[in-house]
Amino acid sequence: QVLLVQSGAEVKEPGSSVRVSCKASGGPFSSVSFGWVRQVPGRGPEWMGGIIPMLATANYGQNFQGRVTITADESTSTAYMDLRGLRSEDTAMYFCARADLSSATARYYDSWGQGTLVTVSS
Amino acid sequence: EIVLTQSPATVSLSPGERATLSCRASQSVGDYLAWYQQKPGQAPRLLIYDASNRTTGVPARFSGSGSGTDFTLTISSLEPEDFAVYYCQQRSHWYTFGQGTKLEIK
Repeated sequence: QVLLVQSGAEVKEPGSSVRVSCKASGGPFSSVSFGWVRQVPGRGPEWMGGIIPMLATANYGQNFQGRVTITADESTSTAYMDLRGLRSEDTAMYFCARADLSSATARYYDSWGQGTLVTVSS
Repeated sequence: EIVLTQSPATVSLSPGERATLSCRASQSVGDYLAWYQQKPGQAPRLLIYDASNRTTGVPARFSGSGSGTDFTLTISSLEPEDFAVYYCQQRSHWYTFGQGTKLEIK
């Protein structure tokens, strides 16, 4: 049973940065793919980017290029998402999600964290 | 970026009725399309992958079809727990999600 546990809610000022963590347990870490998905209330999810820890290379959605960094620490089975230059429009729920590359569901996200609410306000 | 357009935005049905939700892609995604269910306060749940394959534990009343640019999620006979928001997602070129269809009780 895969479990993804995210860090707690954050309140940030405009222009600052936020780091959200996602600790994985119950399954392999390095050989899977982790993604970060943002969701503004009432709107569809938006893919921010993802990483395969074994490859240590991240890919980013075009709306987030240059502002987000996704990393993974194999020693602690934790993925991270750093978002810089925060603005009010970044207020949203941020989810980490996992795709088991060796399963039939392959690159689809079949395990999700509980979400982390990031509020950007002065 | 591949844009996914879902229709309708909201559909009102009664338990026992059939639901048909649509997702159209701005360019072909082959069969690299998934459907997720999301309930209030929860993360999305993967229901269907590669257009027509149910994930483990998803009831047989859920089915997916389509390829290329036009896809459909069908719920054959609605149960009370099926009322939620449904999103399609493509993985043909990175990932994008549709804006969702809210399935509400009539």
